[in-house]
Amino acid sequence: GENVEQHPSTLSVQEGDSAVIKCTYSDSASNYFPWYKQELGKGPQLIIDIRSNVGEKKDQRIAVTLNKTAKHFSLHITETQPEDSAVYFCAASTGTASKLTFGTGTRLQVTL
Amino acid sequence: GAVVSQHPSRVICKSGTSVKIECRSLDFQATTMFWYRQFPKQSLMLMATSNEGSKATYEQGVEKDKFLINHASLTLSTLTVTSAHPEDSSFYICSARQASSYEQYFGPGTRLTVT
Repeated sequence: GENVEQHPSTLSVQEGDSAVIKCTYSDSASNYFPWYKQELGKGPQLIIDIRSNVGEKKDQRIAVTLNKTAKHFSLHITETQPEDSAVYFCAASTGTASKLTFGTGTRLQVTL
Repeated sequence: GAVVSQHPSRVICKSGTSVKIECRSLDFQATTMFWYRQFPKQSLMLMATSNEGSKATYEQGVEKDKFLINHASLTLSTLTVTSAHPEDSSFYICSARQASSYEQYFGPGTRLTVT
């Protein structure tokens, strides 16, 4: 089955700096890669996703890049703000009828 | 984005009793709903997948007779934890997905504490 690895497990950045979180996946058939943000005591929130037919997608301060050959994808957050502090999960799936396989999560802390 | 609600947000029950958690998709029809369990500082663990009108598919190691899942309509799925024990205490989260769609939207979660 699919295996998704996520690094780093914790990340501390100063406000205004950029943050990068990386994930690798094992199943070459995976074609959908979402990123979720989870605040303490809440459910995960879909913040951005990418499909295998594109290499990069941006939405304001966040972007996701995908390298299908290397089987890895990354989340980039620019101009970080204290409200970006949360746990971020990457995930992968092989299609609209399949389940998501999650990474282990990255705890991002943005300090003033 | 699509909205998914869960009820209750928190529940405390005594050991041996059953607890029902509801998951609703508020502004879309969810042909598939998923139930997850999350332990503190850990990732989401998929418990089961349910398609509207069909029996749920449980992940390996999840007791289907203990965690009863019903998905009787396109907007509602329920998880019933039967004969709850303290080890069932956890954060339970549902998610929902439309037909032929990749995106999966999560509810706010339910904190279950069994005393």
